Amino acid sequence: DARVTQTPRHKVTEMGQEVTMRCQPILGHNTVFWYRQTMMQGLELLAYFRNRAPLDDSGMPKDRFSAEMPDATLATLKIQPSEPRDSAVYFCASARGVGTEAFFGQGTRLTVV
Amino acid sequence: GESVGLHLPTLSVQEGDNSIINCAYSNSASDYFIWYKQESGKGPQFIIDIRSNMDKRQGQRVTVLLNKTVKHLSLQIAATQPGDSAVYFCAENSYAGGTSYGKLTFGQGTILTVHP
Repeated sequence: DARVTQTPRHKVTEMGQEVTMRCQPILGHNTVFWYRQTMMQGLELLAYFRNRAPLDDSGMPKDRFSAEMPDATLATLKIQPSEPRDSAVYFCASARGVGTEAFFGQGTRLTVV
Repeated sequence: GESVGLHLPTLSVQEGDNSIINCAYSNSASDYFIWYKQESGKGPQFIIDIRSNMDKRQGQRVTVLLNKTVKHLSLQIAATQPGDSAVYFCAENSYAGGTSYGKLTFGQGTILTVHP
């Protein structure tokens, strides 16, 4: 049963700490999306990759957020330093290609205190 | 101070009724649309999709209608069941050039509540 796997599922951290969220896309999918979901903003697209290359990260605060794909089986989203306003659920999704359905992971619920 | 969140549209129906959820999209360059269902504590789950060269597509108990003239999308659920209670999102895939190619963005969502 192919699925997108995100770790950790929950993370509580103190303000100022570094947070790294990981995503394993479905094998064979060449497109990976990172979204942030909050009550205030809904589902915001932070960044997305195709064939491991970043295509658009305009939705991401550049000063503290970074997204990478070290290899085809791993995508990471890092926040350094974290702030309370970063508290949200972060979702990773992968797709087989352009114009195909994106499959979502279960999300990482981040709480910054 | 009091926080203000998104005021999501809500739809309440009785079990067995048909439900219609609407979505307005903004990008005329979007060529592919998806409806997702999100249950509490879970990630969005694919329901049905439609490409811009179509105006209607049917699945099991669900139908999506696309009106490109007014940039409007709707999801119809037949014989709605309590298990259909969730937040429903429409998403659009941009076919514009450059870095927007294949960009998948989401609408604000609609809360569907089905009463037994």
